[in-house]
Amino acid sequence: DQQVKQNSPSLSVQEGRISILNCDYTNSMFDYFLWYKKYPAEGPTFLISISSIKDKNEDGRFTVFLNKSAKHLSLHIVPSQPGDSAVYFCAARSFSGSARQLTFGSGTQLTVLP
Amino acid sequence: NAGVTQTPKFRVLKTGQSMTLLCAQDMNHEYMYWYRQDPGMGLRLIHYSVGEGTTAKGEVPDGYNVSRLKKQNFLLGLESAAPSQTSVYFCASRTSGTGETQYFGPGTRLLVL
Repeated sequence: DQQVKQNSPSLSVQEGRISILNCDYTNSMFDYFLWYKKYPAEGPTFLISISSIKDKNEDGRFTVFLNKSAKHLSLHIVPSQPGDSAVYFCAARSFSGSARQLTFGSGTQLTVLP
Repeated sequence: NAGVTQTPKFRVLKTGQSMTLLCAQDMNHEYMYWYRQDPGMGLRLIHYSVGEGTTAKGEVPDGYNVSRLKKQNFLLGLESAAPSQTSVYFCASRTSGTGETQYFGPGTRLLVL
């Protein structure tokens, strides 16, 4: 049973428009959320994060929104650029004993069309 | 700094063969992780380590063993490879501080025939 779900395997957006990537989670114990970006043949790289005590975090063109009551977070990219084409993973933090772990979603392939 | 490196980049094994994947990091990070990525499944945690000499099981540990003899290295072993272990394996590391950011290696693509 996936605790972190990204229900859209792919998304295509025109350059300059907004990209919205969605992520749902089921575990109410998750208290910190991250987005990672992955290009082909490379490892994921950290993009942006948000604590569960906030509902929004912004970094340049990237904004993450968190709706705790709906157990939903989204990543907005404005404006989208062709270089943003990549797979985006959302991840959520939980604790196992004294160790912190991340649970990842299955990813969304974003394609930004020129 | 090289960050997180993984060796090898690609390997083909026959069922029943064994191999070891090496992860090395030069950031003096305490925590290290091994994940596997399969289509439609995201990244799933295999094993992790919170410090030199310590290891723990993650979500999908069966069929794998790990060792952390040196702080900078985290080894993932497959004693008897199975086709179900065909996957892309990623190593990651992070500081023991409050930050959650994990830094990933470029991955090892493993094909088990």
